[in-house]
Amino acid sequence: AQSVTQPDIHITVSEGASLELRCNYSYGATPYLFWYVQSPGQGLQLLLKYFSGDTLVQGIKGFEAEFKRSQSSFNLRKPSVHWSDAAEYFCAVGPYGGATNKLIFGTGTLLAVQP
Amino acid sequence: EAQVTQNPRYLITVTGKKLTVTCSQNMNHEYMSWYRQDPGLGLRQIYYSMNVEVTDKGDVPEGYKVSRKEKRNFPLILESPSPNQTSLYFCATKGGDHYGYTFGSGTRLTVV
Repeated sequence: AQSVTQPDIHITVSEGASLELRCNYSYGATPYLFWYVQSPGQGLQLLLKYFSGDTLVQGIKGFEAEFKRSQSSFNLRKPSVHWSDAAEYFCAVGPYGGATNKLIFGTGTLLAVQP
Repeated sequence: EAQVTQNPRYLITVTGKKLTVTCSQNMNHEYMSWYRQDPGLGLRQIYYSMNVEVTDKGDVPEGYKVSRKEKRNFPLILESPSPNQTSLYFCATKGGDHYGYTFGSGTRLTVV
């Protein structure tokens, strides 16, 4: 069955430190992969997406993610975290073409940033 | 500006009192969908619509109804809300394979 796993429920990093949020997926076909961010009380904002081509994807707010097919992973990275990055982050995989067109989400990783 | 607008943002209601959460998009997209978000469960699809008058169940449709009488609107109806429907709800639309999804700002519903 299709699934997305975010193994880290909660992560705390110091401001200025690097960040990596893990995402693993189980999917039968070539996946379309997404990272979304949800700030407190806010909706979902798309950080970046991968459809094909270069496996290193650049997104907004200085984030990037790397698709590794051999590891079924799509980890999100940022070289230097800012206090405003504190939020919940969701990885998702989308089965385009299927009737439901649904996104399968991970359970999220809550990021706290220490001053 | 491309937008998905949900109303209301916050709603507290009592068990059994029918309610509707509205969703409207200005992108002329055919596909729309509703998700609910619960702690530890991520987002799960409730219903989706491929086009006007074409709707189908997602993963967690029990207790919900939808309608799609016009392309821009896709309301979510709870005819007899129960406390287990307390959740954060998101409407989403998708335009084309590579366009991606656009989500509304969410509706936080509390059923007491």
